[in-house]
Amino acid sequence: NAGVTQTPKFRVLKTGQSMTLLCAQDMNHEYMYWYRQDPGMGLRLIHYSVGEGTTAKGEVPDGYNVSRLKKQNFLLGLESAAPSQTSVYFCASGRGRWTEAFFGQGTRLTVV
Amino acid sequence: KNEVEQSPQNLTAQEGEFITINCSYSVGISALHWLQQHPGGGIVSLFMLSSGKKKHGRLIATINIQEKHSSLHITASHPRDSAVYICAVAAPNAGGTSYGKLTFGQGTILTVHP
Repeated sequence: NAGVTQTPKFRVLKTGQSMTLLCAQDMNHEYMYWYRQDPGMGLRLIHYSVGEGTTAKGEVPDGYNVSRLKKQNFLLGLESAAPSQTSVYFCASGRGRWTEAFFGQGTRLTVV
Repeated sequence: KNEVEQSPQNLTAQEGEFITINCSYSVGISALHWLQQHPGGGIVSLFMLSSGKKKHGRLIATINIQEKHSSLHITASHPRDSAVYICAVAAPNAGGTSYGKLTFGQGTILTVHP
C-alpha cells in the first residue's frame, strides 16, 4: 500500500516553461488536494477535488491548473512557470471532508 | 491575525523532557489535525480529533472546543522526535463551501538534543 505518491520529487524549471506534477493515491479516496508550502506562510491550498471529474479553486489558484480524470490521480499543471512558484508542493487525499488527511512526500520546485 | 496560532515557534529540549506544543484557533471547527514534518520530508498525520484526548505511544493530543485550544504533548522526548509539528483545523463551510479545507498553523520547530 503506497499511500500518496508524488512525482517528481525535485525539479528545476526555467521561467516560462511548463510542467505537470502527478499525485497518485491507492486508497480509493474521494477528496484530493494540492498545497504549496512556503517559509513563514504555512501550507496554502491551491486546488482541490471532491471526486473524479471535479476540480475547484483553493486559496492561491492563479498560475495553476488541475485535472482529475481518474479517481486515483490528481494532476497539477504550471503552464508558464514563474519564480514566485518556487515552493514545495504537497498533495493530500482523504476519504471524506472531515477524515484523516494523507500527504505525499512533496515536490521541491525551483523556477529560475 | 492568523486563524490558527501555534506556540512556541521554536522549541529546544533535552532528551527525556516532557514537551508541550500549543495551538489556538479562532473559528468553529469540525476537526483538528496534528501533523509532523521531518526536515526535507513529507508530512505525516499524527492525530485527528474533535473532542477530548487521544494517545499514541509517547504522543498525546488534547482539545478544548470551548476554549478553541489544543495541545500536543510528547513524553520522554527523543532526538528522533525532532521535526516540525503543524496544527491544522478543518472548518465547516469555510469560504462558503464544505470541502474539508484545512487551515494550517505556522508550525513549531522542535529540536531534541541527546
